[in-house]
Amino acid sequence: QVQLVQSGSELKEPGASVKVSCKASGYTFTSFAMNWVRQAPGQGLEFLGWINTGTGNPTYAQGFTGRFVFSLDTSVSTAYLQISGLKAEDTALYYCASFGMPTPGKPFDYWGQGTLVTVSS
Amino acid sequence: QSALTQPRSVSGSPGQSVTISCTGTSSDVGNYNYVSWYQQHPGKAPKLMIYDVTKRPSGVPDRFSGSKSGNTASLTISGLQAEDEADYYCCSYAGSRVFGGGTKLTVL
Repeated sequence: QVQLVQSGSELKEPGASVKVSCKASGYTFTSFAMNWVRQAPGQGLEFLGWINTGTGNPTYAQGFTGRFVFSLDTSVSTAYLQISGLKAEDTALYYCASFGMPTPGKPFDYWGQGTLVTVSS
Repeated sequence: QSALTQPRSVSGSPGQSVTISCTGTSSDVGNYNYVSWYQQHPGKAPKLMIYDVTKRPSGVPDRFSGSKSGNTASLTISGLQAEDEADYYCCSYAGSRVFGGGTKLTVL
């Protein structure tokens, strides 16, 4: 079965960097883009962008350029989100998610379990 | 892209129907049939309930239905059940993706 398994919780100081991993299994990793979504405590979902798993080309949503970097290691079917210069407002649950429509009428829509990143001194 | 606008909360009694609205613009909701709805229970990842405005993935009860008029999409849940109590998010995925602010559904 399809699974997206993310790395564990992180506690970082302001200004530090963090790298979150998302390992995919149960499907061909390069068939669908990997997306990143975050959810601050008690808040809604916020789309960070996506990375083309075939070409490695990232696309960042407005407001998430510069400090946020998406990358891949296709040899181990893993996507990464790196955030540098962490700020308190980056404290959130970060999800990876893969979306697509491999067959008409059968959407491909899978989410990781989320990785909590806490930024605090 | 600005977040889509949803009511912060709605409520209904078991067996009743509720409708959650999701307002965007002619650049997203209004011009494309690419709107989905997610259900999120506390501590869980979002679950796809509706895609392409009106379509239900396999396994989603037919009590859940979607529609659109102009720049506003809607999710209707009929025959409310206790397990429907959750947060609901709309999402426009024409090009990039943008989510609504979320609506908390309370089953009284």
